[in-house]
Amino acid sequence: RKEVEQDPGPFNVPEGATVAFNCTYSNSASQSFFWYRQDCRKEPKLLMSVYSSGNEDGRFTAQLNRASQYISLLIRDSKLSDSATYLCVVIPPGFQKLVFGTGTRLLVSP
Amino acid sequence: GAVVSQHPSRVICKSGTSVKIECRSLDFQATTMFWYRQFPKQSLMLMATSNEGSKATYEQGVEKDKFLINHASLTLSTLTVTSAHPEDSSFYICSATRGAYNEQFFGPGTRLTVL
Repeated sequence: RKEVEQDPGPFNVPEGATVAFNCTYSNSASQSFFWYRQDCRKEPKLLMSVYSSGNEDGRFTAQLNRASQYISLLIRDSKLSDSATYLCVVIPPGFQKLVFGTGTRLLVSP
Repeated sequence: GAVVSQHPSRVICKSGTSVKIECRSLDFQATTMFWYRQFPKQSLMLMATSNEGSKATYEQGVEKDKFLINHASLTLSTLTVTSAHPEDSSFYICSATRGAYNEQFFGPGTRLTVL
């Protein structure tokens, strides 16, 4: 089983739609979770840290489900500019290094 | 917010030459930096962890004699691709950790093309 698994997509949605991505992780002791966004031929940029209580930033909501070992990202009112690859990232216990999922590609169309 | 820079942003070189890539943390000190490589349509793959003042820790399958890492100060890590070959052509990205929550910030990447 991969350490971090994501559906690669692509998810094709119209503008204004709500879309959700899930990501599962294998190490139940992992403590730190993040969502990064990566545009084509660019570096990943931190979108959100995922806290145990869940967190929201504007149109973006991240949730952590420790019992089922997954994190989710919800995007409301999708914009064309949201088109990108969304990377689920986990830090295993005892490490600083990030473990990346393969990313989920989102395409928002007019 | 935190800023990490990389130089150069793009390199085209002949096979057999060595290429040096610099990674700098601009507004914070980073005792640990990371070097990644990303091939087209693939996820980032960690190559090595760069530790200030000590030897880098390489991931399995990464040749330490080919990818030389030097972390000489708290704001600078360098990656040297020695005797580059076309299969080394890739997008090389560094990152640095900041804060108690270990948020990592990435440099803009260096696109290496070996002819």
